[in-house]
Amino acid sequence: GAVVSQHPSRVICKSGTSVKIECRSLDFQATTMFWYRQFPKKSLMLMATSNEGSKATYEQGVEKDKFLINHASLTLSTLTVTSAHPEDSSFYICSAGDRGNTQYFGPGTRLTVL
Amino acid sequence: QKEVEQDPGPLSVPEGAIVSLNCTYSNSAFQYFMWYRQYSRKGPELLMYTYSSGNKEDGRFTAQVDKSSKYISLFIRDSQPSDSATYLCAMPAGGTSYGKLTFGQGTILTVHP
Repeated sequence: GAVVSQHPSRVICKSGTSVKIECRSLDFQATTMFWYRQFPKKSLMLMATSNEGSKATYEQGVEKDKFLINHASLTLSTLTVTSAHPEDSSFYICSAGDRGNTQYFGPGTRLTVL
Repeated sequence: QKEVEQDPGPLSVPEGAIVSLNCTYSNSAFQYFMWYRQYSRKGPELLMYTYSSGNKEDGRFTAQVDKSSKYISLFIRDSQPSDSATYLCAMPAGGTSYGKLTFGQGTILTVHP
């Protein structure tokens, strides 16, 4: 199957700093990438849909100014958590797909804000 | 009512047992059905992907779809301890294979040696 990578896999930061997470489709071009957040023992919650070359579409209740998404190329999308606070600590997962493909998920990034 | 309902379990079975995991859905627009497996602290891994009603088999896994009842199942034969994980059903929006996914709550499965 297709491979999606995320970097970093784990990050610890101080409250008030910004953190950037990268999502890459390694062996296919992804016109659409999705960003999810997952709390322990809970299912995935969709945060936003990222389309290459256009603005991301955010789900209701997700602050677009706090979670900045950039989909600059067909193989890269980034999520920046700005002015992070402890309540932003979570497991962030991206997925990538293209027409004709189903979605493949990255390994996730565990963010801990101190 | 949630669009996709899945019994969260947990489900505990002995090695070699047949496991049945189920989801129901309410949105008739769902046309594609996925099953993902997620190990602890890892991203979900696509296991099965079906479109039409009926059964689809892949090794020890069988996915079953009944669109008339809005009910999908995943069967695992000869379960192994390595099958211990959370299993998530998911359905993409818009009748496509690549739309944004609506997930079930996930079922936590433990297979004991």
